[in-house]
Amino acid sequence: TQLLEQSPQFLSIQEGENLTVYCNSSSVFSSLQWYRQEPGEGPVLLVTVVTGGEVKKLKRLTFQFGDARKDSSLHITAAQPGDTGLYLCAGAQGAQKLVFGQGTRLTINP
Amino acid sequence: GAVVSQHPSRVICKSGTSVKIECRSLDFQATTMFWYRQFPKQSLMLMATSNEGSKATYEQGVEKDKFLINHASLTLSTLTVTSAHPEDSSFYICSPKIQGSEKLFFGSGTQLSVL
Repeated sequence: TQLLEQSPQFLSIQEGENLTVYCNSSSVFSSLQWYRQEPGEGPVLLVTVVTGGEVKKLKRLTFQFGDARKDSSLHITAAQPGDTGLYLCAGAQGAQKLVFGQGTRLTINP
Repeated sequence: GAVVSQHPSRVICKSGTSVKIECRSLDFQATTMFWYRQFPKQSLMLMATSNEGSKATYEQGVEKDKFLINHASLTLSTLTVTSAHPEDSSFYICSPKIQGSEKLFFGSGTQLSVL
């Protein structure tokens, strides 16, 4: 079973600060996805990274896939209260099921 | 984007009763359906994978006789929690997948509370 270690699991910071969430594994994934989930709702896809070393930006969010396709990071610049939520990374091997990380519960304080 | 309808969104039942959760893909055909369970403040844990017309494959530790999955059509899959107990209380999420695509879609989830 492939495991994805996501860290930190909890993070509470002030509005305007920067933060980085990490997702690490000993397994290689064909792609890695980042989701955000609000309470009582299903996860919503933010981005999919496929190529080793790939960097994708979504406004203030920057996603990076490690060169070896075993790890990924999510960096948020100038965090805002609206960024509060549960962030999940998930790795895929081929067309198989996704393996989810433990999740990072992010709280941005005004 | 693809539309996935999961119903009900919330259900409260007495211990010992059975609960059926439906997941429909409204504008695409789902050859594969994943069912996840999520306990409070935890991540999604895969329960089972089903392919249309075939028996579901359950993850280790998930009782197939307790969590009955039916995937009789390409647009509908159901998860029935039989003889539910308080420890089955959780957030259940379906995730249909189009054949050949790595992209996954998620239902809005069902919060099950067993009293």
